[in-house]
This record gives sequence, structure tokens and C-alpha cells, in this order.
Amino acid sequence: EAQVTQNPRYLITVTGKKLTVTCSQNMNHEYMSWYRQDPGLGLRQIYYSMNVEVTDKGDVPEGYKVSRKEKRNFPLILESPSPNQTSLYFCASSSSGQFTGELFFGEGSRLTVL
Amino acid sequence: AQTVTQSQPEMSVQEAETVTLSCTYDTSESDYYLFWYKQPPSRQMILVIRQEAYKQQNATENRFSVNFQKAAKSFSLKISDSQLGDAAMYFCAYRRGANKLIFGTGTLLAVQP
Repeated sequence: EAQVTQNPRYLITVTGKKLTVTCSQNMNHEYMSWYRQDPGLGLRQIYYSMNVEVTDKGDVPEGYKVSRKEKRNFPLILESPSPNQTSLYFCASSSSGQFTGELFFGEGSRLTVL
Repeated sequence: AQTVTQSQPEMSVQEAETVTLSCTYDTSESDYYLFWYKQPPSRQMILVIRQEAYKQQNATENRFSVNFQKAAKSFSLKISDSQLGDAAMYFCAYRRGANKLIFGTGTLLAVQP
């Protein structure tokens, strides 16, 4: 089954404790991206990657890091989480080339930073 | 910069009735894509319908159709014969190029039995 898998689905942590949210896709997609969803703000892009070893900032990259060492994986790293990073996070992927638009989303990761 | 506006934070519809969700966007580009995504309580983002800007014909997917007005930069979603399973948050989104989707703030749709 074609899917984007995120882990953990739920996480409560404390300020300053480094954490990683993993994302893996099995569709051989070149493009992967991270979004955060906040009430009243919709989804905003954090980082994206056009292919292995190619990453770039989205609209709200502060406080986050990413890496793309393998095509299927695109982890999101919070080096020193703060309460304003409490949010619902989505990983998404799509094939590149002539872009048809559809992003395939993971099921979301609910993060709470105390 | 491109922006997407959904002016209806919440909407309600009776089961079997028709409802229209509004979306406007701002862009100076002529070639782009527009989407409606559905997010049910499970939080999964599900693509409902897609429209290519160069196509004048409005996209349709079963009970879902759009009214795409390119000159007015308007992209509304019509849901016909509403069902209880249509209750969800609906996001309008814009994309040009490979980098990202730009989302609106969402419309929460309630379906009354």
C-alpha cells in the first residue's frame, strides 16, 4: 500500500529536549515536505526537499532542521523545542517532473511542548 | 506573494442538501493548480478535487464540483447531496511549480441529519 508514515503520532515533551519526527514514504517520490497546522492559520510549510541531499526552507523554518540522506526518509528535527512549536505536523510527498499537484500526506504528528 | 483566502470559518448544511465553500486567491501567474483537500476528524488530508488553471472546464468528482473563475481568482467547492461523512475541515490550496502548496485557513463543515 502506497503511504507516507510518520512517527510518533503523539508526543508530549519539555522545553529544550531534542526530538525527531520521522517520515518515510514507499512511493519512490523525489519531493518531500513538512507542514505544521495551527488553528486559524491553515497549513504552513516548514522545509521541503526536491531530492536526496537537496533541502530548502519553507515559510516557517525557524527552530527546525531536516535532512534527506535517503530518498524515502525525511526526518524533522527540533533541536531545542519551545512551547510555540506545539502543533500538528504533517509530512507529505509527491513525484517531481511535470507537477500534477497532488501531495500525499502522512497521518500527522501531534506535538505538545511543555 | 501568493495567498489563499477562505472567508467562511464554519459552514453548516442539512443532509442531502447542497453547500458551497468559498475560496479566493491572489497570484500574478497564469499557469498554476488549485485544490480542495478534506480533513476529517481522523486528521488525514484527503485530496477532493484538482483544477488546472489553463483548463476552462470546471472539474467534477462525483458529488463534488468547482466553480473556477480565473479572472476573479475564485475557486469555490460545491458539495451536492451532502452526506454525514462529508463533515470535515476543508482546505483550499494553490500550487505553482514544484516547491509547495499554499493553503487557506480552512472551513469547518458540519452536516446536520
